[in-house]
Amino acid sequence: DTGVSQDPRHKITKRGQNVTFRCDPISEHNRLYWYRQTLGQGPEFLTYFQNEAQLEKSRLLSDRFSAERPKGSFSTLEIQRTEQGDSAMYLCASSHLDRELNYGYTFGSGTRLTVV
Amino acid sequence: SQQGEEDPQALSIQEGENATMNCSYKTSINNLQWYRQNSGRGLVHLILIRSNEREKHSGRLRVTLDTSKKSSSLLITASRAADTASYFCATDARPGSARQLTFGSGTQLTVLP
Repeated sequence: DTGVSQDPRHKITKRGQNVTFRCDPISEHNRLYWYRQTLGQGPEFLTYFQNEAQLEKSRLLSDRFSAERPKGSFSTLEIQRTEQGDSAMYLCASSHLDRELNYGYTFGSGTRLTVV
Repeated sequence: SQQGEEDPQALSIQEGENATMNCSYKTSINNLQWYRQNSGRGLVHLILIRSNEREKHSGRLRVTLDTSKKSSSLLITASRAADTASYFCATDARPGSARQLTFGSGTQLTVLP
């Protein structure tokens, strides 16, 4: 499978717990993005990496959120002290800097987080 | 915040008919992209149109862009039941090489067999 993989597909957690999601991008893609999507809305940008460098973070990314991309390969998104408002679909996408303008992003199937 | 707004929010058509969805946005853009999302799944890139292009085709898809009106349309011809999905426009408005797509709230298309 050469697509973008996200794990887990679903996560149910109690309020106050920490959760971590993983994204494995397409191997030759040097850019990786995290988006959040709530029901009935389009995805909202959270952060993006070029190789291992985190180049931009949205105001939506509070200090409870942290993302890493060690060695410029897979990425993790951690949410600490989860709140019910964190319930959403978390989408990862990857792209190649030189081909983005022709091919856009490749999205994973997402991780659906439910905070109870 | 959402930059783009799709219209209509929901569209229901018969198989074989054409479906047209519109997108309006607020700021100058580098390019505009359309994505499809099946229920509970990730987004699939359909087509990208650059700010200096006015029309683009890909298979049964036709996209137009009017930068003076800050609007775009996506036409799906000869629709099929498998085209049932949510369709989102996304704008790339950042200068230089920084990339951050801003999505609209989507059009839910239902194609009835």
